[in-house]
Amino acid sequence: EAGVAQSPRYKIIEKRQSVAFWCNPISGHATLYWYQQILGQGPKLLIQFQNNGVVDDSQLPKDRFSAERLKGVDSTLKIQPAKLEDSAVYLCASSLNSGQYFGPGTRLTVL
Amino acid sequence: AQKITQTQPGMFVQEKEAVTLDCTYDTSDPSYGLFWYKQPSSGEMIFLIYQGSYDQQNATEGRYSLNFQKARKSANLVISASQLGDSAMYFCAGAHGGATNKLIFGTGTLLAVQP
Repeated sequence: EAGVAQSPRYKIIEKRQSVAFWCNPISGHATLYWYQQILGQGPKLLIQFQNNGVVDDSQLPKDRFSAERLKGVDSTLKIQPAKLEDSAVYLCASSLNSGQYFGPGTRLTVL
Repeated sequence: AQKITQTQPGMFVQEKEAVTLDCTYDTSDPSYGLFWYKQPSSGEMIFLIYQGSYDQQNATEGRYSLNFQKARKSANLVISASQLGDSAMYFCAGAHGGATNKLIFGTGTLLAVQP
């Protein structure tokens, strides 16, 4: 069974630029999550989808972050414009009934 | 509000020995799930084990077992027969209501296995 796929693996941008990350969950997993992991901390949930609907986006900085999962499968997370404090690893995870399975993450550096 | 506490920033263990990584949770929700993840230096989060608050028995997965003590609100991870490849950061996480709800992570414990 293929795992959660994410791309790109690494991204370096300058502040005020925009960036997008892509996630393809494990086949059949209805729930998809985006987490942000700042260096030295545990991951923090940004947004959770159930199929193509948003379940929880309470910690998503909506003035600059957006996410969508239009067909209930793939998802994209966008930051526009990026700030220095957005430097982190962005982890996508998916779940069916038990356990959340994470992708390899995208390491974002904002200069 | 829920909170996950991992009080051990770092741990050492000798190869082939057992090690216990501590985790306590703070929630009033009777339906709660506890998870442990391993994060090697490469960065991926590897799911290890899950315990539901209503599960009667402690969860086990190979060399990993979860010592769940509901009254003490603790969910410690026990790794038996440590291997060099077990060296990594270990995160405890909790979720209200079930395994598909959002995870709240602790700050992690860095485990170093010594030969």
